[in-house]
Amino acid sequence: AQSVAQPEDQVNVAEGNPLTVKCTYSVSGNPYLFWYVQYPNRGLQFLLKYITGDNLVKGSYGFEAEFNKSQTSFHLKKPSALVSDSALYFCAVRVQSGSARQLTFGSGTQLTVLP
Amino acid sequence: GAGVSQTPSNKVTEKGKYVELRCDPISGHTALYWYRQSLGQGPEFLIYFQGTGAADDSGLPNDRFFAVRPEGSVSTLKIQRTERGDSAVYLCASSLGAGVPQETQYFGPGTRLLVL
Repeated sequence: AQSVAQPEDQVNVAEGNPLTVKCTYSVSGNPYLFWYVQYPNRGLQFLLKYITGDNLVKGSYGFEAEFNKSQTSFHLKKPSALVSDSALYFCAVRVQSGSARQLTFGSGTQLTVLP
Repeated sequence: GAGVSQTPSNKVTEKGKYVELRCDPISGHTALYWYRQSLGQGPEFLIYFQGTGAADDSGLPNDRFFAVRPEGSVSTLKIQRTERGDSAVYLCASSLGAGVPQETQYFGPGTRLLVL
């Protein structure tokens, strides 16, 4: 079985400050990890993914995430937050081996960037 | 190019009725997924198609839920005898379907279903 935990329902940060949205995962085997963002009344928009190799992954809109195998974490980061980054963020995992193709999502973290 | 589209965007129905939700994937994508997102939760997997066939339907909650993809493109999710607990946003996603698990899934805007 695979699972994802996003321990913070809500994260508030001031515009211009760095932001971190936390994610930890559990899989039997090596993971593929994804971050998606959801704006109100919109579908999920892909931000970035970790497949293999460099633990620091860079994605869209200046976001990056760091894969830490020992801590089973994949935290999303951005050096300088924008008000327009305010949205709901989802971390997702898929195990590398086996035939399963579905993503398992966390419960989401609402990010609010304050002007 | 065009992304994943879903119709209708909103559907209100009465308990016990039958509904169909449609998904039009990105052109050329052979893999298609349905997820359900309840309020305050992340999306939960329902079913995955590779081409015309359902490769994995392990997420369908019961036999009132059924999905088809007869020509390997458009898919329809069908819910019989709807219940209030079926109220959720139904999300469709597609990917290239090259058979590699690290493929990115691209999501549509969803259909918001409300069962009264």
